[in-house]
Amino acid sequence: RKEVEQDPGPFNVPEGATVAFNCTYSNSASQSFFWYRQDCRKEPKLLMSVYSSGNEDGRFTAQLNRASQYISLLIRDSKLSDSATYLCVEEDSGTYKYIFGTGTRLKVLA
Amino acid sequence: DAGVIQSPRHEVTEMGQEVTLRCKPISGHNSLFWYRQTMMRGLELLIYFNNNVPIDDSGMPEDRFSAKMPNASFSTLKIQPSEPRDSAVYFCASSLTSGGQFFGPGTRLTVL
Repeated sequence: RKEVEQDPGPFNVPEGATVAFNCTYSNSASQSFFWYRQDCRKEPKLLMSVYSSGNEDGRFTAQLNRASQYISLLIRDSKLSDSATYLCVEEDSGTYKYIFGTGTRLKVLA
Repeated sequence: DAGVIQSPRHEVTEMGQEVTLRCKPISGHNSLFWYRQTMMRGLELLIYFNNNVPIDDSGMPEDRFSAKMPNASFSTLKIQPSEPRDSAVYFCASSLTSGGQFFGPGTRLTVL
């Protein structure tokens, strides 16, 4: 059973647009979440941690909604270089194992 | 800063051969993870170590797969005998107890 669900996309957006992805999780006890970015034929790279207070880093904002059990990633003023697959991760609170979503593909178009 | 180092980066082998993948975690990290990624199944955790001790190997597909971590700076994942369905990208990642896992560049394995 896949516990982390993501819309696979692709999301095709013009340069400069704002785009948001959601990711749902099933374990209400989970405390830590992450967003990773993966470029084609490369390794996943940590983009942001998501804690209960949310997190913002430049054009990127991640938020956690515990009531509805989802996390979100907002990208403002999108750049061509933001084109990638974005992976949502739930950290199991008991084992610290990561549960990865299947990823959402973003294509930023010129 | 050296990240996670994996070798080889690419491996092409014939069915039945033994394959050994190697990983050097980031210095100071106490947890090490082996993942496999395919188009069909996405990213799957195979096994992870904490302080060099295997904690959870429930993701190891079958007895043909084995992993060791003889010291804090080295781990191997071995497949013997290899099969075509083992073809995938194998990632090693390391972390401190919390705060994010950092992935190596991966080994792209093709079993003919």
